[in-house]
Amino acid sequence: EPEVTQTPSHQVTQMGQEVILRCVPISNHLYFYWYRQILGQKVEFLVSFYNNEISEKSEIFDDQFSVERPDGSNFTLKIRSTKLEDSAMYFCASRGGLADNEQFFGPGTRLTVL
Amino acid sequence: GEDVEQSLFLSVREGDSSVINCTYTDSSSTYLYWYKQEPGAGLQLLTYIFSNMDMKQDQRLTVLLNKKDKHLSLRIADTQTGDSAIYFCARGTGGGNKLTFGTGTQLKVEL
Repeated sequence: EPEVTQTPSHQVTQMGQEVILRCVPISNHLYFYWYRQILGQKVEFLVSFYNNEISEKSEIFDDQFSVERPDGSNFTLKIRSTKLEDSAMYFCASRGGLADNEQFFGPGTRLTVL
Repeated sequence: GEDVEQSLFLSVREGDSSVINCTYTDSSSTYLYWYKQEPGAGLQLLTYIFSNMDMKQDQRLTVLLNKKDKHLSLRIADTQTGDSAIYFCARGTGGGNKLTFGTGTQLKVEL
């Protein structure tokens, strides 16, 4: 069964460093998403991406964040200068097309900022 | 608003039915979802319901939607220890179907 994969499973970084979180969505899916979950809190929407551009973003997704689909398979989230409060589990998700209602999530990357 | 609320904990005995409740404030949702999260794992889609439906059944799972009260529930029949997890309701909005999640309900199944 096709699935969304994410690497690494755990990333530890120093405050102020740049991190890139990687995702491989399900093949042939067209919509891609990033969400985050701070420990013990809700899962929060960050950004959605379609047709090589951001279609919607939340207030959390400020200038420190960017997304990219550098090739036909990867979808990345970059945080330019990490802060302590960026520590969270980051989930990637993908959806087939406009008529598809199911969003499939990856296992997540746990980001720890020291 | 975008609030989606759930009770935090639910404890049931193995074999009993579990009912997890969710309320939301924004009526513009198109689809409503239930996800399951086991410890250290990602979010597994369990089921979803279109906002113009009242009920959907899928094996042991029954979803009920009361649009007037903006109340969604997930009933798990014959609950098993493997059902112990955190259950999130979520609503999807817009063409991009951005998901807004609830606070999550931790279900504990006791023998």
